[in-house]
Amino acid sequence: AQSVTQLDSQVPVFEEAPVELRCNYSSSVSVYLFWYVQYPNQGLQLLLKYLSGSTLVKGINGFEAEFNKSQTSFHLRKPSVHISDTAEYFCAVTPWGASGGSYIPTFGRGTSLIVHP
Amino acid sequence: GAVVSQHPSWVICKSGTSVKIECRSLDFQATTMFWYRQFPKQSLMLMATSNEGSKATYEQGVEKDKFLINHASLTLSTLTVTSAHPEDSSFYICSAREGGVLMNTEAFFGQGTRLTVV
Repeated sequence: AQSVTQLDSQVPVFEEAPVELRCNYSSSVSVYLFWYVQYPNQGLQLLLKYLSGSTLVKGINGFEAEFNKSQTSFHLRKPSVHISDTAEYFCAVTPWGASGGSYIPTFGRGTSLIVHP
Repeated sequence: GAVVSQHPSWVICKSGTSVKIECRSLDFQATTMFWYRQFPKQSLMLMATSNEGSKATYEQGVEKDKFLINHASLTLSTLTVTSAHPEDSSFYICSAREGGVLMNTEAFFGQGTRLTVV
């Protein structure tokens, strides 16, 4: 079984400031890691994902995340945020090579990023 | 990336009526689909997993007779909320992925359906 912890339920930040949204996970098997963004009353949009290779992953909208296996973390960062980045951000993991042709993503509880002018 | 279309985006219904939500994969074959429910300011709660052509697997605590899931084709799954009540009001999101254990590790999400039962 897997679990995902997003310690910060809410992160307020001023426009053009850097931001880091934290994500830690636990799993007995290897996992793939994802960050999704959700704008009000919309579905989830994939920001970035880590499958293998370089531990620094770049995504859309200027976001990046770094996979740290020893710390079981996958923190999301952006060097300079915009008002339009205000949204809910979800970290998720899926087991690698799940059997049976199906897998179930496990989501964190989400972090609300609030960008102030 | 692949596109998942969910319809309707929002629906208001009277208590006691049934509502059907559709989830379509537009450019890939969705062997597996997931249905989630999201309460305000909370994460996604998995309701059920469905594989094309077979019965859905419901998570503990989810009433299968109330939330009917049909996955009759590789591009369409439906969730029917039967005899809806105000407590069923929520945001419902579907997700789909291609078949094959190692083919695709990403699930694509629909835009969600806001259900309000009055």
